Amino acid sequence: AQSVTQLGSHVSVSEGALVLLRCNYSSSVPPYLFWYVQYPNQGLQLLLKYTSAATLVKGINGFEAEFKKSETSFHLTKPSAHMSDAAEYFCAVSGSASKIIFGSGTRLSIRP
Amino acid sequence: NAGVTQTPKFQVLKTGQSMTLQCAQDMNHNSMYWYRQDPGMGLRLIYYSASEGTTDKGEVPNGYNVSRLNKREFSLRLESAAPSQTSVYFCASSESALGGYSNQPQHFGDGTRLSIL
Repeated sequence: AQSVTQLGSHVSVSEGALVLLRCNYSSSVPPYLFWYVQYPNQGLQLLLKYTSAATLVKGINGFEAEFKKSETSFHLTKPSAHMSDAAEYFCAVSGSASKIIFGSGTRLSIRP
Repeated sequence: NAGVTQTPKFQVLKTGQSMTLQCAQDMNHNSMYWYRQDPGMGLRLIYYSASEGTTDKGEVPNGYNVSRLNKREFSLRLESAAPSQTSVYFCASSESALGGYSNQPQHFGDGTRLSIL
């Protein structure tokens, strides 16, 4: 069965600091993995996706994620946080019947 | 580019009332989904429709029904609302995958914020 675990329900960083949001997955088949972002009072937007073409995936707004099979991880990073990055971030893995299984989310706060 | 449109955006119901949440997509996607989002629990799948004419239960289907009216529209109905159904409801759509595991992302509406008193 497919599942994802996001470590840390809340992460706080200073503006300009590195952002690291952690995600570990479990999958019975080679996984397709996604990161989504949700701004207040909005739906989820796709940040990036891993579909086995390259292990380092670049997304929108300067985010990237690295697929590490040996660690079953797909952590999201951004070198320098901006105030506009404050949002909730969801890691997700593809499931059967075109479903997606979401993690419980990590709320990212940015300190001035 | 409308994408996925949900109506209404906000609704307050009394316990026992019924209501239908509407969702329409203009991306010609085969698959559509209904989720609920509650604090600390991420998104939980209520029902989904892998293709027009089919619907299946997700993780938390009790108390809900769905209708895939056509390829564009997928509605969610609460027959007798309960306070436990207070939540934010999201509709999503995606291209479907032959064989089931899809590398296609889901596209989300902006949600319906539902309060049941």
